[in-house]
Amino acid sequence: DGGITQSPKYLFRKEGQNVTLSCEQNLNHDAMYWYRQDPGQGLRLIYYSQIVNDFQKGDIAEGYSVSREKKESFPLTVTSAQKNPTAFYLCASSRDRNTEAFFGQGTRLTVV
Amino acid sequence: GQQLNQSPQSMFIQEGEDVSMNCTSSSIFNTWLWYKQDPGEGPVLLIALYKAGELTSNGRLTAQFGITRKDSFLNISASIPSDVGIYFCAGRKMEYGNKLVFGAGTILRVKS
Repeated sequence: DGGITQSPKYLFRKEGQNVTLSCEQNLNHDAMYWYRQDPGQGLRLIYYSQIVNDFQKGDIAEGYSVSREKKESFPLTVTSAQKNPTAFYLCASSRDRNTEAFFGQGTRLTVV
Repeated sequence: GQQLNQSPQSMFIQEGEDVSMNCTSSSIFNTWLWYKQDPGEGPVLLIALYKAGELTSNGRLTAQFGITRKDSFLNISASIPSDVGIYFCAGRKMEYGNKLVFGAGTILRVKS
């Protein structure tokens, strides 16, 4: 089935550690996105990529890093520089930057 | 970031009632999208709107792209218990690189 797969569903991290969240899509979409969701707030854009080997910062990129080496994959690394990393992280993709975006199931990251 | 103003923040309605929610902005958007999110899951696309004045239905859902291009509404007719969830509006505008901007969400609770 075509779709977007995020893994893991739940992730626990100790303070000071980097952690990488996986996002894979088999929809042949060019654009991919990472959002952060906190309770009572809308989704805030962390990073986005419109094409392989290219990505841009979103509104809250500090403390995060990404790569886009393959069209299907857009992993997000939450670094120790991110001061408040506990959140629900959502990956999305769209055919291009003008069309609707489809979301994965999300990864809930908790810092312990 | 540039948030959309989504209202109401939450609704508690009787099963069978019609529901209406809307999103407004001071800026012009060229795309409006409506998503529904269940707890712990990623948002699911309900309706996509691409033209000012466009009215689109998806089952009991109807959404419109405002004629001024600064707003959109979503109506749900004859609500049922499975309509419970958070509804998000999202918009794209060229001045923002066509990135998706999200409202804070409307929490819908239905009394059975």
